[in-house]
Parts: sequence; structure tokens; C-alpha cells
Amino acid sequence: GESVGLHLPTLSVQEGDNSIINCAYSNSASDYFIWYKQESGKGPQFIIDIRSNMDKRQGQRVTVLLNKTVKHLSLQIAATQPGDSAVYFCAEIISSNTGKLIFGQGTTLQVKP
Amino acid sequence: DAGITQSPRHKVTETGTPVTLRCHQTENHRYMYWYRQDPGHGLRLIHYSYGVKDTDKGEVSDGYSVSRSKTEDFLLTLESATSSQTSVYFCATRGRFTGSGSYEQYFGPGTRLTVT
Repeated sequence: GESVGLHLPTLSVQEGDNSIINCAYSNSASDYFIWYKQESGKGPQFIIDIRSNMDKRQGQRVTVLLNKTVKHLSLQIAATQPGDSAVYFCAEIISSNTGKLIFGQGTTLQVKP
Repeated sequence: DAGITQSPRHKVTETGTPVTLRCHQTENHRYMYWYRQDPGHGLRLIHYSYGVKDTDKGEVSDGYSVSRSKTEDFLLTLESATSSQTSVYFCATRGRFTGSGSYEQYFGPGTRLTVT
């Protein structure tokens, strides 16, 4: 069935280090994959997306990698800052027309000063 | 936040009572969504709307109904609340086109609902 999951529930990194958050998905027919950031008490916020025909996409301090062979998605955050502490969700768009999303369970990123 | 407000922000209700949550947006977005968020499940789509009076079910729609009589308002109703519907509810709209070709979803601040 359709599912998106993350490998680790919690990731702890030192401030200034790079963070890598992983996600495995099962629906190979999805056209887009998206990363969201959710800070405590707030709704999720879009970070970056990637189309299924791409391997890599970069944003400001973030890079998303897509490996379709093993159905794996990762979010890399460069020079992690305390403000990056949050829960990160991967999601896949199962319908481009309607925008319906399937979310993974989330990884909590803790940044140690 | 793309001009999304949700009301109420917190609610405690008793089992068996009806509950209506409201989502209001100011950006004139066509698509609107209701999600619930529970520990261990991430966010799950309840219902969505693709226009005034046009709605469809998501993956966890049982026990919920929705209505959209105006572009800016999307209502979620629990006809007879149960303890299993205790959750945080998020409304979202589909907004701007991203660089990759999909659309960004904007989320509201959430409503924390407790059914006792």
C-alpha cells in the first residue's frame, strides 16, 4: 500500500554540523516528494520539493536527494542552527491534480549548542 | 501562514456531542484540506475541497463531514464526537507553484480537540 516512513524518530546533532534526515517511501508512482518542517505548536511549513524525475535539488542550506532505485529520500541541512530544531516530515503527492499528500511519521531534529 | 486561521484553537467536548471546526483563508485558494495529527501517525488527510460545494474524502474520513459554502471557509464537523477523535486538526490550502512543478500547501495553526 501507499506509505511514507522515516528511518529514525529522533536525530541529535551539534550546532554547525550537517544534518541528514532520511525517509523511505513505497509508492513508486508518486510524482513529487516534499519535506515539511513543523515547529512546536505550529502547523507544518514547506521546505523543499523534488520531482520524481530528478535526483537532487538544492535550496537555501537544504538539499533533497531522491534515490528511486531503493525508494529513498533524504533531506540534508548544512550548518545546522538552533532554529532548525523541529519535527521534519517527508510527504509524497499521490495525486498531482488534487494535491493529496501522504505524510511520513516525522523525525525530531534536536540541535545541541 | 498564508492568511489561514482556525477556530477554535482549543476545545474540550464530551463524547456524543457534535463539534464543528472552522478554517478561514484570505488568499482565495481553490483547494483546501483538513488533516488530523496523532502521535505515531504524522498527518492524515480527512477531507479536501476543490471548490465551493465540491468536496471529497481523504484516507480517514469516517465520522467526519465537511462543507464549503464560500471560497474562504471550510468547515469540519464531527457529528457525534468519540474519544478516538481526540487529536490536533490542521487546515491547509494549496498555494503557489513551486520550482519543481508541484504546489505548496500552507497550513493553519491547528485546533487541539479533546473528547472526554
